[in-house]
Amino acid sequence: DTAVSQTPKYLVTQMGNDKSIKCEQNLGHDTMYWYKQDSKKFLKIMFSYNNKELIINETVPNRFSPKSPDKAHLNLHINSLELGDSAVYFCASSPAGAEAFFGQGTRLTVV
Amino acid sequence: GQQLNQSPQSMFIQEGEDVSMNCTSSSIFNTWLWYKQDPGEGPVLLIALYKAGELTSNGRLTAQFGITRKDSFLNISASIPSDVGIYFCAGQTDNYQLIWGAGTKLIIKP
Repeated sequence: DTAVSQTPKYLVTQMGNDKSIKCEQNLGHDTMYWYKQDSKKFLKIMFSYNNKELIINETVPNRFSPKSPDKAHLNLHINSLELGDSAVYFCASSPAGAEAFFGQGTRLTVV
Repeated sequence: GQQLNQSPQSMFIQEGEDVSMNCTSSSIFNTWLWYKQDPGEGPVLLIALYKAGELTSNGRLTAQFGITRKDSFLNISASIPSDVGIYFCAGQTDNYQLIWGAGTKLIIKP
């Protein structure tokens, strides 16, 4: 009965590869997010998305792209992975205008 | 991007001590949120504040929404070992975006 679940929990891959992280929420929330947490634990919003609008943080490289097959899912695709992409990526969801609920995170290591 | 000023960055405390941390901003927020992150987990919401001046408790935790709407504090009374982790504040803007503090790492001295 996990509220926000993301897979995989750990992902180790080589530079240059393309990878995806999946996220699903069963809370019926309207908005979903992707966050990046670096080694200093700073939480940076990457994308927020509801069925009407995608808001992109302008600092996110276009190698990163969110894909939402339906309201309950927001997957993150990353092309041409770089060493600096290594971080923990969190998916989150919220009802309209309310606080966010987070998944457990995906630790991405690019080697 | 914009970030809140959260302090202290880290705290070393003895079990049983009270803890206080705060966040300030140059911008006004409509909502202040406090989250805790345990190692290997995602942030979990502790307290949400919706009104200037609001004081809200959740067990040993108490948080206040500053009257100017530009600051908030979180207090933890009588700390216990499971309180260790990273505490984040977040302010919500008019267009529902969350602006985050850099986190306060709480460590219990052995």
